[in-house]
Formats: sequence, C-alpha cells, structure tokens
Amino acid sequence: AQTVTQSQPEMSVQEAETVTLSCTYDTSESNYYLFWYKQPPSRQMILVIRQEAYKQQNATENRFSVNFQKAAKSFSLKISDSQLGDTAMYFCAFMITGANSKLTFGKGITLSVRP
Amino acid sequence: DAGITQSPRHKVTETGTPVTLRCHQTENHRYMYWYRQDPGHGLRLIHYSYGVKDTDKGEVSDGYSVSRSKTEDFLLTLESATSSQTSVYFCAISDPLGGGQETQYFGPGTRLLVL
Repeated sequence: AQTVTQSQPEMSVQEAETVTLSCTYDTSESNYYLFWYKQPPSRQMILVIRQEAYKQQNATENRFSVNFQKAAKSFSLKISDSQLGDTAMYFCAFMITGANSKLTFGKGITLSVRP
Repeated sequence: DAGITQSPRHKVTETGTPVTLRCHQTENHRYMYWYRQDPGHGLRLIHYSYGVKDTDKGEVSDGYSVSRSKTEDFLLTLESATSSQTSVYFCAISDPLGGGQETQYFGPGTRLLVL
C-alpha cells in the first residue's frame, strides 16, 4: 500500500517571501504521479502542480515549483513571492500509473500568509 | 472549471435516514470518484466509477453505495445515515484532456451533517 506523509501540520510565511512545504511518500512502484492540491477557505480543491516520476526535471507552474527527489521519495512544494491568496490547506497526493489506479492523499498542511 | 457540479451543497439529516448525493459532469469523462474529507485524514476514497454501471470500492466504502446509470451522473447513497458519516463529500473526475486518468479535478463539495 502507498502512503503519503505531510509531517508539518501548519506553517506561516510573510507575504512576498518563499516557503517550502514538505511531503514524503512510500511505494515500491517505479511509475507514478505526484500532485499538490490547494484548498482555500472556500473548500474548493484546486490542482497546483503535477509531476511524473519518470521525468527528472522538476515541474514548475508560475510561482510554484517542486523539488522531486525520487530516491529519497520526497516531493516538496516551493511557493515563491507568497501572496495573501496562497493562504490555504495544501495536500500532497500520489497515484500509480495504470488503469483504475487510485489517488492517495496526505493529511494536509495549513499555510498562512501574513501581510 | 472542469464542469462538475454537486447537489445538494449542504444537507442536514437525521440518523437512520437515507441520503443521496449527486455529482454531475458535463464533459463526458469516463472516471468519476467520491471522497470524504475529515479533519486529520485528508481526503479518502469512498467509491469510484470507470464507466456506466462500472464501479468499485475505495478505502472507506462501508455504509455507502453508488450508482452510475449515465455517463454524466454519479450518485452516492448513504442507506441509513450515521453520525460518523458527517463529513464534507467531494466528487472528482479524471483528466478532461483525455490523455489518461491520472489527473483528477474536483467538484465544489457537499457538507453533510447527520444529527
């Protein structure tokens, strides 16, 4: 069974600064996907970024980037130039490639951006 | 916007009553999912569907049933609601680009309170 661990329940960052959210996972599979989802106070789940395990290059989406360390089974999210709108809960998630595969979530981390 | 709606958005019911939640999508996606979100647990998969009348269980399926008689609708039924089923329920669909099922997009959620 796959597990996803987000060990930090809460973090805080000053507006315009950079913050890194940690995520580790455990699997014996070699082909999989990793995701970060954002859940603002509206409760909507929003895809932030996606990483394919076979790609060595780290994914980036504007101010969001990941540090994917496959050997260490680590997948951290870096948010640059933090904005007040980044205040949300962030979930790391994992999925093995293949038909009918399931998404496994971490417990989430609450990020607060201070003005 | 992946064209996903959920109804109702909020519901209060009493223990022992049946409850049906509806997920509706407009973009003909093959895969649909039901999750529940509880504090300290992240999102957990209840059931999913990989086609009309094709469904399978997730990790927390006890006390829930699902049906999918048409591509666009995926129904989640609590046959006899219990207080432990008080939660926020999310529907999701797979990647609308059609390249594979690996990326899931979420509906707005339904908050259910069982008294």
